[in-house]
Amino acid sequence: GAVVSQHPSWVICKSGTSVKIECRSLDFQATTMFWYRQFPKQSLMLMATSNEGSKATYEQGVEKDKFLINHASLTLSTLTVTSAHPEDSSFYICSASDPYNSPLHFGNGTRLTVT
Amino acid sequence: DAKTTQPPSMDCAEGRAANLPCNHSTISGNEYVYWYRQIHSQGPQYIIHGLKNNETNEMASLIITEDRKSSTLILPHATLRDTAVYYCIVRPDTNAGKSTFGDGTTLTVKP
Repeated sequence: GAVVSQHPSWVICKSGTSVKIECRSLDFQATTMFWYRQFPKQSLMLMATSNEGSKATYEQGVEKDKFLINHASLTLSTLTVTSAHPEDSSFYICSASDPYNSPLHFGNGTRLTVT
Repeated sequence: DAKTTQPPSMDCAEGRAANLPCNHSTISGNEYVYWYRQIHSQGPQYIIHGLKNNETNEMASLIITEDRKSSTLILPHATLRDTAVYYCIVRPDTNAGKSTFGDGTTLTVKP
């Protein structure tokens, strides 16, 4: 089945630094990927839709300059949290679907802790 | 996106069937019903999906009402490892269709 890989699985960084999270579709090409954020004991919140070769579409209330998304190839999307602050600490999850097989498949998430 | 509503929590005895309901009364004609589950600190795992017919796979069965306004996920013989948060979402059947997650149901399977 379709596999989505996310890296790193966890990261700790200092306030003011930037962190890049990678999301890869391992056995299919994904023209569209999605990024979610999840706080403890809460549901997944869609942040943005990543489109290969074009700009990402951000959900209302998500700062595009804060969360930079690059989808440079059909198998890789990256989320960069710029100038991270402790309130950015969260669980970030990406997902994608094979164009020929509709279910969304999710990466295993990245636990970001900003100190 | 159509929203879904689910009970916040349910318990089930090990070995018994777990029936998890979901309301999606504003679902559109081109939207499928998908079920996922999430175990702590992992990404959601796909379980099953359907449009209007009942579906079954090796993990679960999905029963969708005729008016498509609600559905039930059935885990036929729940095990302790089925303890998780279960999410019901609706989504167009395209790879670009985005999904909005509701609060899900926390299923606890008890010995």
